[in-house]
Amino acid sequence: DGGITQSPKYLFRKEGQNVTLSCEQNLNHDAMYWYRQDPGQGLRLIYYSQIVNDFQKGDIAEGYSVSREKKESFPLTVTSAQKNPTAFYLCASSRGKYSNQPQHFGDGTRLSIL
Amino acid sequence: EDKVVQSPLSLVVHEGDTVTLNCSYEVTNFRSLLWYKQEKKAPTFLFMLTSSGIEKKSGRLSSILDKKELFSILNITATQTGDSAIYLCAMSEGGSQGNLIFGKGTKLSVKP
Repeated sequence: DGGITQSPKYLFRKEGQNVTLSCEQNLNHDAMYWYRQDPGQGLRLIYYSQIVNDFQKGDIAEGYSVSREKKESFPLTVTSAQKNPTAFYLCASSRGKYSNQPQHFGDGTRLSIL
Repeated sequence: EDKVVQSPLSLVVHEGDTVTLNCSYEVTNFRSLLWYKQEKKAPTFLFMLTSSGIEKKSGRLSSILDKKELFSILNITATQTGDSAIYLCAMSEGGSQGNLIFGKGTKLSVKP
């Protein structure tokens, strides 16, 4: 079945450590997105990518980095510079900016600090 | 200031009740408004609205957009415990590369 796979489901980070969240899609979508969800805050955009080898910062990119080396994959690294990383991270994909089609989401990764 | 505002933020009803969730927005170049349902994990897509006054319906759920007054409503009739979830409203602006701006969500709890 086509879909978006995020891994791991749960992740713990030690202070000073970088961690990487995986996001893979087999929907042949051009665009991919990373969101952070905090209680009572809704979803906030971290980074997005419309094509391979290109990505842009969203509203809260500080302390995060991404890469888009393959169409199917858009990993997110939470660096030690992100001082408050505890949150639920959601990856999404869509056909792209010209299609006006809805974004579809993965099941998320819950990140906590040890 | 938030561009997408949902109300109420939380709501508790009993099975069989009808509920109306609200979403107001401000935008300079509107493209579409979307509703999602989020239970424990992935938000699942419900509706995308682009034109005023045209109701979209799926079973007991329906939604409509008013582009003049800049709001949308999501109605759920004959609620069931399985409707308990966070309902997210999001807006897409033209020229935004397809990015969505989300409201904070409405947490709906349906009691048996």
